Amino acid sequence: SAVISQKPSRDICQRGTSLTIQCQVDSQVTMMFWYRQQPGQSLTLIATANQGSEATYESGFVIDKFPISRPNLTFSTLTVSNMSPEDSSIYLCSAEFGSGAGEQYFGPGTRLTVT
Amino acid sequence: AQKVTQAQTEISVVEKEDVTLDCVYETRDTTYYLFWYKQPPSGELVFLIRRNSFDEQNEISGRYSWNFQKSTSSFNFTITASQVVDSAVYFCALRRMRRTSGSRLTFGEGTQLTVNP
Repeated sequence: SAVISQKPSRDICQRGTSLTIQCQVDSQVTMMFWYRQQPGQSLTLIATANQGSEATYESGFVIDKFPISRPNLTFSTLTVSNMSPEDSSIYLCSAEFGSGAGEQYFGPGTRLTVT
Repeated sequence: AQKVTQAQTEISVVEKEDVTLDCVYETRDTTYYLFWYKQPPSGELVFLIRRNSFDEQNEISGRYSWNFQKSTSSFNFTITASQVVDSAVYFCALRRMRRTSGSRLTFGEGTQLTVNP
């Protein structure tokens, strides 16, 4: 299995500020994704991070709130902008391996608390 | 539209008991992948298994086994002789096999398994 790391692992932020989360994969991958997991809930896909082009956002998520970068095949960032307490969640990045064979592995997650 | 249902919100067992976690899915696709993930209290999501829709063989890995039945759209997960370390939230997920449709994982709501000593 691959190694996916995220920074920071957790943070406590004030309302109105922004936080950028980094995701690093130990090998080149085509597909990278960002998910949100609100407290006690399941995972919801925020967007697909496309290398060299804009991210593809799911319904209910917009670029102004969750800008994403994907400068190369091993790295991506997610920014949570103008945070409110409702943004308190675990944010997880994932990567798909196996040339489309379907296996998606996840990073350890970033636990964000907004006060 | 795709949907995954894990009807069991919480399950509590005593160590060494066998436990089965249910997963029922809905999809219009004829080819797809099914997954199980484990999320321990630390929060990371651990990949357990991927199953292709055209492979209905059951799989066993140590104390874990999976029963895939396409006729009932179910992909159930059994832990034999459960241990305290099995305590976690378990998620079942579904993904289309066609790359042109994207690689989004559709997750169930998860089942919280607590194994008591």
